[in-house]
Amino acid sequence: TQLLEQSPQFLSIQEGENLTVYCNSSSVFSSLQWYRQEPGEGPVLLVTVVTGGEVKKLKRLTFQFGDARKDSSLHITAAQPGDTGLYLCAGVGGSNYKLTFGKGTLLTVNP
Amino acid sequence: EAGVTQFPSHSVIEKGQTVTLRCDPISGHDNLYWYRRVMGKEIKFLLHFVKESKQDESGMPNNRFLAERTGGTYSTLKVQPAELEDSGVYFCASSQAGGSYGYTFGSGTRLTVV
Repeated sequence: TQLLEQSPQFLSIQEGENLTVYCNSSSVFSSLQWYRQEPGEGPVLLVTVVTGGEVKKLKRLTFQFGDARKDSSLHITAAQPGDTGLYLCAGVGGSNYKLTFGKGTLLTVNP
Repeated sequence: EAGVTQFPSHSVIEKGQTVTLRCDPISGHDNLYWYRRVMGKEIKFLLHFVKESKQDESGMPNNRFLAERTGGTYSTLKVQPAELEDSGVYFCASSQAGGSYGYTFGSGTRLTVV
């Protein structure tokens, strides 16, 4: 059974601070996806990283896939209140591309 | 394009009753997945359809759960009879290319069994 350990589980910071969320596994994934979920909604895809060592940037968000494709990180620079939400990492594996999710990181950015 | 639609958004039923959840994927998406999140746990895979065929139902908890996708369009997930531990949020997701580059999720159905 593949597992993804996501940390921290909760994070409360002030506007303007930087933060990093980690996603670790003992298993290799073909790719890894990061989602953001708002209350009452489903997860919304932010990015997919495919190649070991890959780095992708979306404005103030930087995503990195580990060289061995077992871990990933999400770094947010100068967090804004609008970044508040639940961030989920999900490893893609198997022939049917099913997702193995981490438990999520609930981020609160205070103004 | 319209997103993935799920209904009902909420359902409260008594133990032993039957509930049917429905998912309408994005038009043209052959791949449809069901996932579930129970309180305090991570979102977990239930099953995967390609068109009307079940490709993988390894995540289905037990035989009280029955999923169908007649005609390869919308899908239903029936729980009969419902037990307390079935409570959670059930998500449906669809993708065009097998999900390797991302899924579109519905807003979920929050099921409460009392």
